[in-house]
Amino acid sequence: KQEVTQIPAALSVPEGENLVLNCSFTDSAIYNLQWFRQDPGKGLTSLLLIQSSQREQTSGRLNASLDKSSGRSTLYIAASQPGDSATYLCAVLGGATNKLIFGTGTLLAVQP
Amino acid sequence: EAQVTQNPRYLITVTGKKLTVTCSQNMNHEYMSWYRQDPGLGLRQIYYSMNVEVTDKGDVPEGYKVSRKEKRNFPLILESPSPNQTSLYFCASKPKAGTGTDTQYFGPGTRLTVL
Repeated sequence: KQEVTQIPAALSVPEGENLVLNCSFTDSAIYNLQWFRQDPGKGLTSLLLIQSSQREQTSGRLNASLDKSSGRSTLYIAASQPGDSATYLCAVLGGATNKLIFGTGTLLAVQP
Repeated sequence: EAQVTQNPRYLITVTGKKLTVTCSQNMNHEYMSWYRQDPGLGLRQIYYSMNVEVTDKGDVPEGYKVSRKEKRNFPLILESPSPNQTSLYFCASKPKAGTGTDTQYFGPGTRLTVL
């Protein structure tokens, strides 16, 4: 059974720092991996999607990497800003049912 | 604007009173799904639909029903809600069922409290 773990559960950094969020999964047979952002009381916003055949994806200050064989992904945020404060979720897609299996998230606080 | 909408956004109800949470997408997506989000457990899939009239159970289907009579709508029905169904519910959709190349789009969530 696929399990997704995110470490750390919470992270507080000063504005301007570069940071890395970690995601690990137990079954490497995935179609893709997505990183989402969730603001309090809001829905999920897709940040980056990495196909199983890809190693990384970039969007602005965000860079996500995927090492399928070791079951790991990282989300790198450059030059963090207070507006980056949110919960970051990673999810893997496995199987024909298109079910996303989520980690429990990393709560990020960027201090001004 | 392309979006997934859910109604209501907030609902407080009592045990046993049937309710429906609606979900609608305007992107002509094949695939739709319902998730619930609980502290410490993350998001878990309740039901999903590969296309019109095609639905199936996810990981936590007990106490829920769904229907997919038309492509854009995927309502979640709680026939007899119980307090353990108090949760934050998300509807999601994606363009093509059965593929892993496209993003899932999520609605804003419905916060349900069952007393």
